Amino acid sequence: DARVTQTPRHKVTEMGQEVTMRCQPILGHNTVFWYRQTMMQGLELLAYFRNRAPLDDSGMPKDRFSAEMPDATLATLKIQPSEPRDSAVYFCASGLRTTSYEQYFGPGTRLTVT
Amino acid sequence: GENVEQHPSTLSVQEGDSAVIKCTYSDSASNYFPWYKQELGKGPQLIIDIRSNVGEKKDQRIAVTLNKTAKHFSLHITETQPEDSAVYFCAARRLIQGAQKLVFGQGTRLTINP
Repeated sequence: DARVTQTPRHKVTEMGQEVTMRCQPILGHNTVFWYRQTMMQGLELLAYFRNRAPLDDSGMPKDRFSAEMPDATLATLKIQPSEPRDSAVYFCASGLRTTSYEQYFGPGTRLTVT
Repeated sequence: GENVEQHPSTLSVQEGDSAVIKCTYSDSASNYFPWYKQELGKGPQLIIDIRSNVGEKKDQRIAVTLNKTAKHFSLHITETQPEDSAVYFCAARRLIQGAQKLVFGQGTRLTINP
């Protein structure tokens, strides 16, 4: 059963600390998306990769957020320094662009910044 | 840009009855409309989708209809069961500067009463 995996599932950190979230897309998928979910804003797209290259990160605060794909099996989202307003659930999703538009979501990382 | 409105925000139906959730979108260039189901503590799960060249699609108890002229699409769940209780999200996709983007509605919390 192919799934997107994310680590950690929960993270509590203090304001100013660095946070790194990891995602393993479904094997063979060539697109990776990072979303943030909050009660107020709902699901927002932060960044989008295709074949490991960043295609769009316009939804991401550039001064503190960064997203990378070191290889085809790992995507990372980093926040440095973290702020309380970053508290949210962060989802990674993957898809196979060449055959469909479908996106498959991971279980998410619940981040709390105190 | 794309804006997706979803109604109602909460819906309560008796087990066995039907549930309908509606979404409208603003960008006529949107060409793909997925529906996701999100259970507590989990990531959104794709349950059905429709492309802009199709008016209706059905998969067992769920169906989606699309009216391109009016720019709205709906999710229909028949013979509802307690396990259908969840938050449902609609989304609309369009290509923006070479990057596909899903814009999500705010979600509908569906409760099935036994």
